[in-house]
Amino acid sequence: AQSVTQPDIHITVSEGASLELRCNYSYGATPYLFWYVQSPGQGLQLLLKYFSGDTLVQGIKGFEAEFKRSQSSFNLRKPSVHWSDAAEYFCAVARGDTDKLIFGTGTRLQVFP
Amino acid sequence: DAGVIQSPRHEVTEMGQEVTLRCKPISGHDYLFWYRQTMMRGLELLIYFNNNVPIDDSGMPEDRFSAKMPNASFSTLKIQPSEPRDSAVYFCASSLTSGANVLTFGAGSRLTVL
Repeated sequence: AQSVTQPDIHITVSEGASLELRCNYSYGATPYLFWYVQSPGQGLQLLLKYFSGDTLVQGIKGFEAEFKRSQSSFNLRKPSVHWSDAAEYFCAVARGDTDKLIFGTGTRLQVFP
Repeated sequence: DAGVIQSPRHEVTEMGQEVTLRCKPISGHDYLFWYRQTMMRGLELLIYFNNNVPIDDSGMPEDRFSAKMPNASFSTLKIQPSEPRDSAVYFCASSLTSGANVLTFGAGSRLTVL
């Protein structure tokens, strides 16, 4: 069965600093990969997704993620973090277009001014 | 579109009582998902529907939980009887057939069972 691991439970960065959130997946074939963001008291919102093609995908709010098959990773990056990026970030994996999503445990991002 | 609408946003009840959570998906979305979020277990998929038919209910914790989707615009998640360990935030999400895992989430229903 596929699974997804987010090794960092909590990350703190200063506003303006760069950010990288880690995500590793376990699946035999190329999975569908996603990053979702959850602001306090809200549901999850899709940031970006990877299905195939270019391994560097762009998302909303200035985020990007890179699929690295050799490392089974799909890390999320942002060159300059804003205070409004403070939220919880979830990586997720699915086997195909109609398969259910499996979420990681999330990484809570705190941003200091 | 108003997005995925869930009600109630907050529910406080006593152990043993019946709880019903409601969800209205986005019009035209063929998939509907119920998730539960807790600190201990994160986001868990409970059940999902495709065209109103339950496809996978393997995540439903036990017989006290049931979910229905009588039509394309309405779904319920019922807990009877409720227990304190059911306290969590329950999310409903919907998606199009062409991207069943590109989910639009509701704001969630926070359930507290005393």
